[in-house]
Amino acid sequence: GAVVSQHPSWVICKSGTSVKIECRSLDFQATTMFWYRQFPKQSLMLMATSNEGSKATYEQGVEKDKFLINHASLTLSTLTVTSAHPEDSSFYICSATDHNSPLHFGNGTRLTVT
Amino acid sequence: GNSVTQMEGPVTLSEEAFLTINCTYTATGYPSLFWYVQYPGEGLQLLLKATKADDKGSNKGFEATYRKETTSFHLEKGSVQVSDSAVYFCALSEGFQKLVFGTGTRLL
Repeated sequence: GAVVSQHPSWVICKSGTSVKIECRSLDFQATTMFWYRQFPKQSLMLMATSNEGSKATYEQGVEKDKFLINHASLTLSTLTVTSAHPEDSSFYICSATDHNSPLHFGNGTRLTVT
Repeated sequence: GNSVTQMEGPVTLSEEAFLTINCTYTATGYPSLFWYVQYPGEGLQLLLKATKADDKGSNKGFEATYRKETTSFHLEKGSVQVSDSAVYFCALSEGFQKLVFGTGTRLL
């Protein structure tokens, strides 16, 4: 079936540095991708929706300058956490759709900022 | 806004026991309802869904019925197996593919 690959699966970075997370659709063209964030023992919170070739639409309360999303092709979207701080430590998950099939999720990325 | 509430876990059961994971929702309009499952080390997978009131979604022995009167979508399975150990997420759709998730319930 359709697969979404998310990379890296985990990353540790120092405070103040930037981290890029990739989300790739491997066998379909993802016209829309979603980025979620999950805090421990909490639900997945939608951060933003990105459509290929357009600017991402961010949910209320999500800093667009902090979480940069690029969806430049039909198979790749990236989330860059800029100037990361310990409070950005979380589990980030992407999902993708071609609008003809159900959502497919990546395996998630565990970010730890020290 | 729309929200989903599901029972806290972990839920610990013996093999072949009956499983219920409660899920209730708050929404304007008539959302579609979903159960997703996340096995260790893997991404979320759609387990089942229901798109309108009284619909029953089913898959792999799991069932859930869309109850509009109680705003619920409880997940049930008659006989759980060790291989069912995972985290289960209840979710509703606010619009095309835009999901609101519950907190997840770990089944051991």
